[in-house]
Amino acid sequence: SQQGEEDPQALSIQEGENATMNCSYKTSINNLQWYRQNSGRGLVHLILIRSNEREKHSGRLRVTLDTSKKSSSLLITASRAADTASYFCATPNQAGTALIFGKGTTLSVSS
Amino acid sequence: DAGVIQSPRHEVTEMGQEVTLRCKPISGHDYLFWYRQTMMRGLELLIYFNNNVPIDDSGMPEDRFSAKMPNASFSTLKIQPSEPRDSAVYFCASSRPPGTNSYEQYFGPGTRLTVT
Repeated sequence: SQQGEEDPQALSIQEGENATMNCSYKTSINNLQWYRQNSGRGLVHLILIRSNEREKHSGRLRVTLDTSKKSSSLLITASRAADTASYFCATPNQAGTALIFGKGTTLSVSS
Repeated sequence: DAGVIQSPRHEVTEMGQEVTLRCKPISGHDYLFWYRQTMMRGLELLIYFNNNVPIDDSGMPEDRFSAKMPNASFSTLKIQPSEPRDSAVYFCASSRPPGTNSYEQYFGPGTRLTVT
């Protein structure tokens, strides 16, 4: 399957620091998405990057995509305690009609 | 829009009992997905529907699991009989068709199922 794998599994940082999470996937894709899950909640879409894009920004989020390495990174700048959550990358299935999620990176931001 | 609605939010049942989880997708979303999340296995796609028709149920773990979507605004996931290993959080999500500008999936709050 085209499952993304996030790295690291867990990350602990102080408020104000940057957090970087990586995602690797196995086969060619036409887009990759990142989601956030707060404890006890459903996943929330953060950003989608298409295969012809190398970098995309949304507020304090910066996502990069390297299709040659089959990898993506999510950078959260100037982190806040409210950024504490699990972050998942998701890639389309072969039919392009569903998403396959990785196991996520758990980010803990302490004040 | 109220978002994706799931009920119940919590379900505790005894092994062998039938469990029915319910989902109301966002109006206008043609796709509906059922996921199961556990610490060990992460987020697993169980089944998804397009225009009320099941497209891929290869993620359904056993015949004890079944899902239906009788109309565009309602879907159920049923486990009969339930077993302790079915304990997990079950999410429903909906989306517009892929290829549109808004392809992201919208998740419900989940149903936390505990089977004792």
